[in-house]
Amino acid sequence: LAKTTQPISMDSYEGQEVNITCSHNNIATNDYITWYQQFPSQGPRFIIQGYKTKVTNEVASLFIPADRKSSTLSLPRVSLSDTAVYYCLVGDGGDYKLSFGAGTTVTVRA
Amino acid sequence: DSGVTQTPKHLITATGQRVTLRCSPRSGDLSVYWYQQSLDQGLQFLIQYYNGEERAKGNILERFSAQQFPDLHSELNLSSLELGDSALYFCASSVVREENTEAFFGQGTRLTVV
Repeated sequence: LAKTTQPISMDSYEGQEVNITCSHNNIATNDYITWYQQFPSQGPRFIIQGYKTKVTNEVASLFIPADRKSSTLSLPRVSLSDTAVYYCLVGDGGDYKLSFGAGTTVTVRA
Repeated sequence: DSGVTQTPKHLITATGQRVTLRCSPRSGDLSVYWYQQSLDQGLQFLIQYYNGEERAKGNILERFSAQQFPDLHSELNLSSLELGDSALYFCASSVVREENTEAFFGQGTRLTVV
């Protein structure tokens, strides 16, 4: 199982772009990279998933280099409501048996 | 609203007791996952069921058990409860396929063991 490493915490200000990098050196050929967001006392919410290059949706972008050993979640122009824990998961598309780890706590300040 | 329903939302019980947590997955989702989240901890995977069969097991204690019924709802049974079992228990469901699989999480059951 691919292990992921991401920063414990990040601070930002409203309107800035936040980039969270996740390392996954042992990613397997058929693994996807998925990011989740969790607010306190709520269930995690899917943000984005990708396999290679760049994926963009209405809330975030995911950048994956050619070697796929890392990935970067980009949150454009964050607001106070983006303060949450962000988890990076690596595994088969439906392989949610992986534990989420500690995640990255992003704090957005006014 | 994720479409995944967990009941009860809150549960307070004494040590040594047994409780059952219930999860109704999104309509059409065959896979159900259970997670435990202790205070300030990440989500720990407990167990996964797919269409009624156990598919994967994580760090689930022997005092805990789960099952998925023919209507696809799932129950997590916790017995001989200890203070350390106090946590948020989340259920998630998904359609398991190779790509673009998104797991939908319920709002969780907060278990307090006193």
